[in-house]
Parts: sequence; C-alpha cells; structure tokens
Amino acid sequence: DVKVTQSSRYLVKRTGEKVFLECVQDMDHENMFWYRQDPGLGLRLIYFSYDVKMKEKGDIPEGYSVSREKKERFSLILESASTNQTSMYLCASSPGVGNQPQHFGDGTRLSIL
Amino acid sequence: AQTVTQSQPEMSVQEAETVTLSCTYDTSESDYYLFWYKQPPSRQMILVIRQEAYKQQNATENRFSVNFQKAAKSFSLKISDSQLGDAAMYFCAYRSADPSGGGADGLTFGKGTHLIIQP
Repeated sequence: DVKVTQSSRYLVKRTGEKVFLECVQDMDHENMFWYRQDPGLGLRLIYFSYDVKMKEKGDIPEGYSVSREKKERFSLILESASTNQTSMYLCASSPGVGNQPQHFGDGTRLSIL
Repeated sequence: AQTVTQSQPEMSVQEAETVTLSCTYDTSESDYYLFWYKQPPSRQMILVIRQEAYKQQNATENRFSVNFQKAAKSFSLKISDSQLGDAAMYFCAYRSADPSGGGADGLTFGKGTHLIIQP
C-alpha cells in the first residue's frame, strides 16, 4: 500500500513564525500535492510538483511556498504565518504515468495563534 | 476553470438502505477524470471510485456505483446496503486528463457531503 506520511498531526504556531509542514511518500511517485481543507470550502490546491525541484502554483498559492529537494519529500512553507492560515493541510502523491489517482496523508491540523 | 458542486451538505440514511449523493461539474474539456473520495473522522482521504470521461459504462466497486451523465455533467454516487462504516464526508473531485499521461494536475473538489448512517 502507498504510504503518505505527514510529519505532524497537530501543530500550533504563532503569528509571524516561519512554519514547515513535511510530507514523505514511500512509493517513488513523481507527483506530489499540497491541499488546504476548510469547513464548507472543501479542499483547495495550494501547490504541486511533478518532479524534483519542480513546482507549480495551484489555486491558492499566496502566502505559501514549497520545496522538493528529494523525490520522496515535499515541504510546504508558510513564510510568515498568519491567523487566516489556520486550517487542515493535506498532502497527496500519485505516479507520473497512467493518470493514476492521488493517495493522501492523514493531514496536519495547523493552528496559528 | 473547472468547478465541482455538491448540493447536499448533509444526508442521512438508515442502515442497510440505499443513498445517492449528488455531484455536478462544469468544464469545457472533453477528456477528464472524476472521483469520489471518502473522509472518515480519522481524516484519511480514501478513494471510493473513479470514472474516466471517455468510458460510457458507469464504474462500480462492490456496494458503490456511479451514475455518470456526461452531457448533463453529473456524477452521482450510489451506496447500496449502507453500513455504519460508511459514515463520513464524501467529496466529489475532478481532474483534467493529462495528454502525457503524467496526471500531474491537481484535483478540483466539491465542498463535500456529510453522510450520516442511522442504526
């Protein structure tokens, strides 16, 4: 089975801090994704990556950046955390061929105080 | 841009009964994929079923089946013989078909339907 692991299940940070959310997948997938989930809004795509060191903006990239230095790891960075970034963050991965579905991690519930 | 609409924020069904969750989408593309994901209280998003737009036959996975109406841009999920373990948030999602086959596009999600199973 595909395993997508997010480093923290719950995280509390302060306004203005630089925050790193880490995601690791163990299936050698080319594609990795970061989504944000808010009640009543569903999931929205922040950034995705189709290869090491490659990144593409999703629907709501403002206030976020990403890093993919190794194929298995995709990091989401909040450069200067703000209270409106309090949310659930979900990482996903998928193979680079065959238009395969995405596999998701368990999510990180991030609170910015 | 594509949009996905789930018009039922919450649905309730008796155990062992059948329930249908609605999903409509808007796109100008002819080739794409549609998905239903389930998110139980444990938070892990689990793929329930997948439909390729070029296939006319509706996808089925055990008790789960879809009614895919391409012209109407409708993609409903039917759950037969509902079980307590089916209680979850259900999300409908859309993805463009990648001509290269790489599947690198992100998913566009609906807002979700909270499914309650009454014992």
